[in-house]
Amino acid sequence: SAVISQKPSRDICQRGTSLTIQCQVDSQVTMMFWYRQQPGQSLTLIATANQGSEATYESGFVIDKFPISRPNLTFSTLTVSNLSPEDSSIYLCSVPQGNYEQYFGPGTRLTVT
Amino acid sequence: GQQVMQIPQYQHVQEGEDFTTYCNSSTTLSNIQWYKQRPGGHPVFLIQLVKSGEVKKQKRLTFQFGEAKKNSSLHITATQTTDVGTYFCAGSAGGFKTIFGAGTRLFVKA
Repeated sequence: SAVISQKPSRDICQRGTSLTIQCQVDSQVTMMFWYRQQPGQSLTLIATANQGSEATYESGFVIDKFPISRPNLTFSTLTVSNLSPEDSSIYLCSVPQGNYEQYFGPGTRLTVT
Repeated sequence: GQQVMQIPQYQHVQEGEDFTTYCNSSTTLSNIQWYKQRPGGHPVFLIQLVKSGEVKKQKRLTFQFGEAKKNSSLHITATQTTDVGTYFCAGSAGGFKTIFGAGTRLFVKA
């Protein structure tokens, strides 16, 4: 299975600022997913990042708030913009492998003060 | 839109007792996956089911996919403290996009 790393592992940010999260995969993958996991909750898909094209956002998530870059087949970034306390969550990237199963990065724990 | 419901929300068991979590989809699924998330960790893929009525086993874990491909269950026999965590089902109606259930958090008392 792919080895996935994320940076930073955690951060504390002030409201109104932005945080950019990096996701690095040790192999080339066509799709990468970004999820949000609010405290004690399930995983919600934010967007699908495809190399060479715009990310596809899920309902309730917009590019202005969550801009995504996908410069190559092993790397993606998610920016959470104009932070508010409601953005305090764990953000996870994942990659699909094999027959639909997903492998997740270790996550980035964001706290907004 | 597609919804995946999972019950119970949490369960406390004594070590050695069995545990089951259930997953129901509002639509027919092409496949269902199960993940385990340890406290403070990230979700880890356990298994995928694709066939109607499919049953798969991994040691003490038994996974079932319903005949109508709308429900699934995970059963753990004789729980151990290492089973502690949250178990998520995740269903797909096609393609890689999956909808995660709310998860069942398992507590095991030694």
